[in-house]
Amino acid sequence: GAGVSQSPSNKVTEKGKDVELRCDPISGHTALYWYRQRLGQGLEFLIYFQGNSAPDKSGLPSDRFSAERTGESVSTLTIQRTQQEDSAVYLCAYPPLDSGANVLTFGAGSRLTVL
Amino acid sequence: QKEVEQNSGPLSVPEGAIASLNCTYSDRGSQSFFWYRQYSGKSPELIMFIYSNGDKEDGRFTAQLNKASQYVSLLIRDSQPSDSATYLCAVNARYSSASKIIFGSGTRLSIRP
Repeated sequence: GAGVSQSPSNKVTEKGKDVELRCDPISGHTALYWYRQRLGQGLEFLIYFQGNSAPDKSGLPSDRFSAERTGESVSTLTIQRTQQEDSAVYLCAYPPLDSGANVLTFGAGSRLTVL
Repeated sequence: QKEVEQNSGPLSVPEGAIASLNCTYSDRGSQSFFWYRQYSGKSPELIMFIYSNGDKEDGRFTAQLNKASQYVSLLIRDSQPSDSATYLCAVNARYSSASKIIFGSGTRLSIRP
């Protein structure tokens, strides 16, 4: 979606390395979501932010995953000691201001490949 | 039991026919329900949302919700080849504030000319 930028668009890394994925929404969007989509699979909820707090981080797969957000702006998803099963597209989403609170617009995603 | 379940398909429908996509959910307290379309290699995009029992129509699309039976469906009338995509059902416990939104694994729809 035009309202959110994700970077990098593609990342290839070696197993065991740390990676940081970035989501940069248009400012003023209070809520922000992260999802993971493995090849051929559905969207797996990771975490959502309300402002810079995370009321629900129940979807983070392990303690290797962490996320933070600065105010109502940039969010970063960090994966430490990457494993091959972390290979997926990581999608950031937000509810546009003129829509319902839970109607999501998605970014283009960050495709992560762990070798 | 998955929180949101969909038949993975593929569902093959002839052009011009009605495509019917179904979704069931486990949380009886769910309040808002969504259908997203995802083309291969692209991000999901919203088609429709529905909050109340019954039908909601938007052009060729109709969403149907039955909270008692815990299912939501999407009908696509006059199916076109451009409707070929994966359709994702999503469910949320709330409708007025942000909270966890759970997606199904999607149904692949193929419209054959």
